Amino acid sequence: DTGVSQNPRHKITKRGQNVTFRCDPISEHNRLYWYRQTLGQGPEFLTYFQNEAQLEKSRLLSDRFSAERPKGSFSTLEIQRTEQGDSAMYLCASSLDPDRRAFFGQGTRLTVV
Amino acid sequence: AQKITQTQPGMFVQEKEAVTLDCTYDTSDQSYGLFWYKQPSSGEMIFLIYQGSYDEQNATEGRYSLNFQKARKSANLVISASQLGDSAMYFCAMREGDTGGFKTIFGAGTRLFVKA
Repeated sequence: DTGVSQNPRHKITKRGQNVTFRCDPISEHNRLYWYRQTLGQGPEFLTYFQNEAQLEKSRLLSDRFSAERPKGSFSTLEIQRTEQGDSAMYLCASSLDPDRRAFFGQGTRLTVV
Repeated sequence: AQKITQTQPGMFVQEKEAVTLDCTYDTSDQSYGLFWYKQPSSGEMIFLIYQGSYDEQNATEGRYSLNFQKARKSANLVISASQLGDSAMYFCAMREGDTGGFKTIFGAGTRLFVKA
């Protein structure tokens, strides 16, 4: 068990470009969450998967954002036509049971220039 | 709407003393879970403690205890015998119940500074 893995750890992109992040959850965890965290704030919920089904999306997730979890294993978060306001840490977490803790990855820090 | 409030942006505590970090929450669900996470400067989120809404006893994990007052909707974290390594951001979080889709929402955090 190597924990939740996120790649890349850092991404710098020009405004208007598309970016994709990957999250590999702990293998037996069926629940997967994406959060966004800006400096000095707590993580904000973006979206949630149970197995391959995307069960909930925050209104923070505009049409430029899309997330997938094919086969209920790893997940990808894509941001199209990035804007400077998208600069943040994107955190992925997974859990086996909603009543217990989620395990977080180390995040992907996105900087849009 | 479900909400987590942490009113202390920053707290100072002397090494070896106890400190309480405040958290209040708002939910209409009967079933929910409350968490505390620590985020050091390296960025990873470290789970500290969990309290279920139906748990009658306050949760404890080593030096961490959660002072759960359901009627007041508060879930304060108590850290006993503070250590220099406790300096970090601390986030209170709530896992919503059925109506909330089981997602977890976080407060804005409290930055704890432990003085030698």
